[in-house]
Amino acid sequence: QSALTQPASVSGSPGQSITISCTGTSSDVGGYNFVSWYQQHPGKAPKLMIYEVSNRPSGVSNRFSGSKSGNTASLTISGLQAEDEGDYYCSSYTSSSTLWVFGGGTKLTVL
Amino acid sequence: QVQLQESGPGLVKPSETLSLTCAVSGDSISSGYYWGWIRQPPGKGLEWIGTIYHSGSTYYNPSLKSRVTISVDTSKNQFSLKLNSVTAADTAVYYCARPRGKTYYDILAIDYWGQGTLVTVSS
Repeated sequence: QSALTQPASVSGSPGQSITISCTGTSSDVGGYNFVSWYQQHPGKAPKLMIYEVSNRPSGVSNRFSGSKSGNTASLTISGLQAEDEGDYYCSSYTSSSTLWVFGGGTKLTVL
Repeated sequence: QVQLQESGPGLVKPSETLSLTCAVSGDSISSGYYWGWIRQPPGKGLEWIGTIYHSGSTYYNPSLKSRVTISVDTSKNQFSLKLNSVTAADTAVYYCARPRGKTYYDILAIDYWGQGTLVTVSS
């Protein structure tokens, strides 16, 4: 069982917006601003989409945005495109003995 | 451009030791970054295995700590993973990785990944 909880799947139609949640505790998501988000396509290494809750690396589309409220971080994808389909993972630093954790992953389907 | 390349056996027998090396190019392993290993069992999610600083300081996932050793070879600009007493549950794609920044807390903000290598544990 992952330390960070994500929905198993989300879906949306092209052009719509979707949000993926990542719920932790005050020891991780709620206590620190070191939440990252990754996109992974089949057979590929993950790609960093968001770091430190809401920062986008150079080259990542501004359709991707991150935020946090309490113990839950969120990744929002606006103007959904077919190429956005894939698996998404959150990660965070934690003050627990685990130190760093990933969420269980969310499969995004573009209808 | 930073590049990471994993190498090692693709098949390991149960109870034996899994050994992988990550060759780094385009950056010095002594440049102040943390260098890590992450794995992904087939069809499952990502799991942080451990991380090493060039000084040799190591950080391990408590669930694997008793079986894991990560080391660095600055002369070869590479770092290595050893996981002993493997079982079928250790079958996974293993990635080596480097975060985008040099902040200790942010080591899972990874922007450089190896291509990944599938290691199967089977007799």
